[in-house]
Formats: sequence, structure tokens, C-alpha cells
Amino acid sequence: DTAVSQTPKYLVTQMGNDKSIKCEQNLGHDTMYWYKQDSKKFLKIMFSYNNKELIINETVPNRFSPKSPDKAHLNLHINSLELGDSAVYFCASSLRTGQETQYFGPGTRLLVL
Amino acid sequence: AQSVTQLDSHVSVSEGTPVLLRCNYSSSYSPSLFWYVQHPNKGLQLLLKYTSAATLVKGINGFEAEFKKSETSFHLTKPSAHMSDAAEYFCVSGGSNYKLTFGKGTLLTVNP
Repeated sequence: DTAVSQTPKYLVTQMGNDKSIKCEQNLGHDTMYWYKQDSKKFLKIMFSYNNKELIINETVPNRFSPKSPDKAHLNLHINSLELGDSAVYFCASSLRTGQETQYFGPGTRLLVL
Repeated sequence: AQSVTQLDSHVSVSEGTPVLLRCNYSSSYSPSLFWYVQHPNKGLQLLLKYTSAATLVKGINGFEAEFKKSETSFHLTKPSAHMSDAAEYFCVSGGSNYKLTFGKGTLLTVNP
């Protein structure tokens, strides 16, 4: 009964490839997020969706495209992967937007060779 | 704009001694403040949250934090460190713009 789950847990791929990371939450939350954690552990928000509507879109290369088929799912597709995309990507969800507590998934460790 | 500063990038304590992880925030209003913990190769887990109901907030695993508006601080403490407390700790501020602002993290090392 995992609250926020992500697949895959590990992803090793070559430069130039296209890959997707999937996220699902079973908490009944309205809002979902994608974060990138770099090698220095710094966490930065990338996107947020509220009820399938994009509400946060930080300065992220347009090679990154989020998709929310329903409010329980938020997937992240990355085109033309680059070495600098190597990081840990975390999905999170919250009941609503604003100052709500966010619940994080276990992370997807992406390594681009 | 809001910001969060974790004053120590690394704190090392002995098992059984107190833990103090320091956090200062900057905000034009009273934000929500959180502490999250990240164990190695794991996701982030909420330790505690401040929402203006009480200045002393108790969290899981014996941690607590005190909100001090005059000092713009939200330091995390625990009376007695356990080996299992070794992890990265993040102080986080919630803003009105739907975003959480994360500090850069404090790595807590617990020595036997």
C-alpha cells in the first residue's frame, strides 16, 4: 500500500535516448510534483499539476515534458537525454496546492552515459 | 521571495548526545515550515510541520523543532541521537506560490 510510487527505481541509458518515469499516488491528493535532486543533494522543483492542470513550470529544458492522464498519475518524459540530466528525480503529492505537506516517492536514479 | 538557510552542511554527534540542526528562514509573512529526512538512497520523509498552531512542534522519532519569529529560526533538536538518525535533513519553507523552498540540507553523522 505504497502512498507515492515511482517506476523505474533505477534508469541507466545512453545520451540522446528518450525515457519516461512514471509516478502514481493512492492518497487521493489533487496536486502532484516532480523534483530534481542533483549530486549535491539540492532539491529543485520542476513541475506541478493540480487536478491534471499544470500550475508550476520552472525553467526546465523543453526536452522535459510532464503528462498527467488523471490526478493520481504524473509521468515525466525526457527527450534527447544529456549527461547533465543524471540525477535523482522525485515525485511528490499533496492534498491541495499552497503550503500543504508533500509526500515523496522513493526516487528514480537516472544515469546518462 | 522566501529562502531557507541551513547553517551547517554537516553535523557530527556521538550516539546518545543531543542533536541540533539549525535553520533560518526568510519570508514576508509567516510561512509553513517543515523538516524532512532523507536516509541514504531513500525518498524524503516528513519529520514535522509548523503551521502557527504552536511554536514547539513535536515530530516523529523524538525530534522536535521550535519556531522563533524574532530570530526567524526553526531549529531541529533531539535529546539523544541514535545510530539510525544518520541521514540528510532538509529544512523547507512553504510559500503562497504553490512551491516549497528547500534548504541545501544538513548531513547528520552519528558516531558510536
